[in-house]
Amino acid sequence: DGGITQSPKYLFRKEGQNVTLSCEQNLNHDAMYWYRQDPGQGLRLIYYSQIVNDFQKGDIAEGYSVSREKKESFPLTVTSAQKNPTAFYLCASSSGVNEQFFGPGTRLTVL
Amino acid sequence: AQKVTQAQTEISVVEKEDVTLDCVYETRDTTYYLFWYKQPPSGELVFLIRRNSFDEQNEISGRYSWNFQKSTSSFNFTITASQVVDSAVYFCALSEARTGNQFYFGTGTSLTVIP
Repeated sequence: DGGITQSPKYLFRKEGQNVTLSCEQNLNHDAMYWYRQDPGQGLRLIYYSQIVNDFQKGDIAEGYSVSREKKESFPLTVTSAQKNPTAFYLCASSSGVNEQFFGPGTRLTVL
Repeated sequence: AQKVTQAQTEISVVEKEDVTLDCVYETRDTTYYLFWYKQPPSGELVFLIRRNSFDEQNEISGRYSWNFQKSTSSFNFTITASQVVDSAVYFCALSEARTGNQFYFGTGTSLTVIP
């Protein structure tokens, strides 16, 4: 089945640690995105990539990093510089100006 | 400035009632796209509809209908005869041709359907 997978579903991090969230898609989409969602709030764009080996900062990129070495994969690293990383992280992909398809999300908690 | 405004934060209705979720957008582009997504408690966003700026026809899909009015920059979503399974957070989003694939999401409306 075509779709987007994110792993892990739940992730716990100690303060000061970097963690990497996985996002894979087999929809052959060029564009991929990372969003952060806090309780009771909308989605805020962290990073997006419109093509392999290229990505742009979104509205809240500080404390995060990404890579896009393969079309199918767009991992997000939450660094120790991110002061309040506890949130729900959603990955999405799209083709052209069409709708974005979302993965199931990763819930990150800092202990 | 907020490009997409969903003024209703939370709505509760009794099952079988009709409910309309409001969405107001702001853009200077003549070519843009509007979307609605549903986020059930599981968390994954489910795509519901896409509308481009040149197509103002209203759309109906089963119990769902959408009213797109450029004159008021609104793209409202109505659920007819609501059901408990409709309980979710609903997001409206805007994509502008000028900025490519970037989406602007509203803050969402949490709908609770009471049995």
